[in-house]
Amino acid sequence: GAGVSQSPSNKVTEKGKDVELRCDPISGHTALYWYRQRLGQGLEFLIYFQGNSAPDKSGLPSDRFSAERTGESVSTLTIQRTQQEDSAVYLCASSQRASGANVLTFGAGSRLTVL
Amino acid sequence: DAKTTQPNSMESNEEEPVHLPCNHSTISGTDYIHWYRQLPSQGPEYVIHGLTSNVNNRMASLAIAEDRKSSTLILHRATLRDAAVYYCILRGGAQKLVFGQGTRLTINP
Repeated sequence: GAGVSQSPSNKVTEKGKDVELRCDPISGHTALYWYRQRLGQGLEFLIYFQGNSAPDKSGLPSDRFSAERTGESVSTLTIQRTQQEDSAVYLCASSQRASGANVLTFGAGSRLTVL
Repeated sequence: DAKTTQPNSMESNEEEPVHLPCNHSTISGTDYIHWYRQLPSQGPEYVIHGLTSNVNNRMASLAIAEDRKSSTLILHRATLRDAAVYYCILRGGAQKLVFGQGTRLTINP
């Protein structure tokens, strides 16, 4: 597609349930990033994928959070046993390569509300 | 931690130029300076980026200090649609990208 696609756009879930958020990067983009943005806050780095290299998971806040990416395609962010503090917009971004010369393209985000 | 420092907020008037500063004193030789902005209820969007020389595009200009330890995003003639949070980040090679809090720009009519 022309842009980064994220789904669902909105998700309301009950505390304790698992959720999966999906990111479809721009075709051919090897670098993919996930961020969390709580209401009124900045972007909080979660995880970074670059091609077939091991992902940088240093931003994942707890072991309830995990993410996968198959090759250079779709990525899924999974949150297990959701808590109310997980409520946020989850943003995905991709770039052609992980190089300073390449720009990031962001998706519109997935808004997660945990009741 | 973010490698850049920006003012939390700035205010300007419509149709006037806006200069948004960013400090990045620990920039390395291979780091590009990127600017993104986030309009209300949207994902961030690319504005401009550069390495050493000043850059212009249809959205804005980027002025980079000679020692590269600071830069300024210039909106030549602000409109109400330019009200957003502006983020300045450094991007080098294969590494995670950490965003700071950005500058919230308010445009007065």
